Amino acid sequence: SQQGEEDPQALSIQEGENATMNCSYKTSINNLQWYRQNSGRGLVHLILIRSNEREKHSGRLRVTLDTSKKSSSLLITASRAADTASYFCATDEAAGNKLTFGGGTRVLVKP
Amino acid sequence: KAGVTQTPRYLIKTRGQQVTLSCSPISGHRSVSWYQQTPGQGLQFLFEYFSETQRNKGNFPGRFSGRQFSNSRSEMNVSTLELGDSALYLCASSLYGTSGRGREQFFGPGTRLTVL
Repeated sequence: SQQGEEDPQALSIQEGENATMNCSYKTSINNLQWYRQNSGRGLVHLILIRSNEREKHSGRLRVTLDTSKKSSSLLITASRAADTASYFCATDEAAGNKLTFGGGTRVLVKP
Repeated sequence: KAGVTQTPRYLIKTRGQQVTLSCSPISGHRSVSWYQQTPGQGLQFLFEYFSETQRNKGNFPGRFSGRQFSNSRSEMNVSTLELGDSALYLCASSLYGTSGRGREQFFGPGTRLTVL
């Protein structure tokens, strides 16, 4: 079963709007990461947030982590057509040497 | 630095055949992980190798195997192919193989395997 479950599964917005997606997980983690995947290609690492961090920024990306609720959110501000992609959260579990990916959120940014 | 490379990029096989996929990690990276991505199951972890040792294995049948060479290049093999093995196979490398130090993974473009 997947550790991370993402919500929503799909999101359609206009260019310039913000996009927010959420990720929930089940077990204790060392860190949580967000990746982007353009259609049928490899994943690109966006940002990593450690379990002792609550918020992190990188350019137009803002990630929050609430370990008490076992959830994270990714906010993309001022979206662009080039942000159209699938976004995945991945948890680096405290027990185990692997990343576990969620089902992803498909984001469509309309020009 | 060159990124993660995977060969071949596309592959068509028939049921019952076997296939070997190759992955060259970023120079200096010692950890290589493999994932299978399908529309129905999403991204599923296959296995990870670190310094030629398999450190972790996902929930896949024994038909799926892998290995890592001393130069960190990795191969995965799927024997007796089934239709359900059609997928995008992604390889990722990372600098650290130890959980907790930040396991940012760098992905290759993937190998698209079609089983007919």
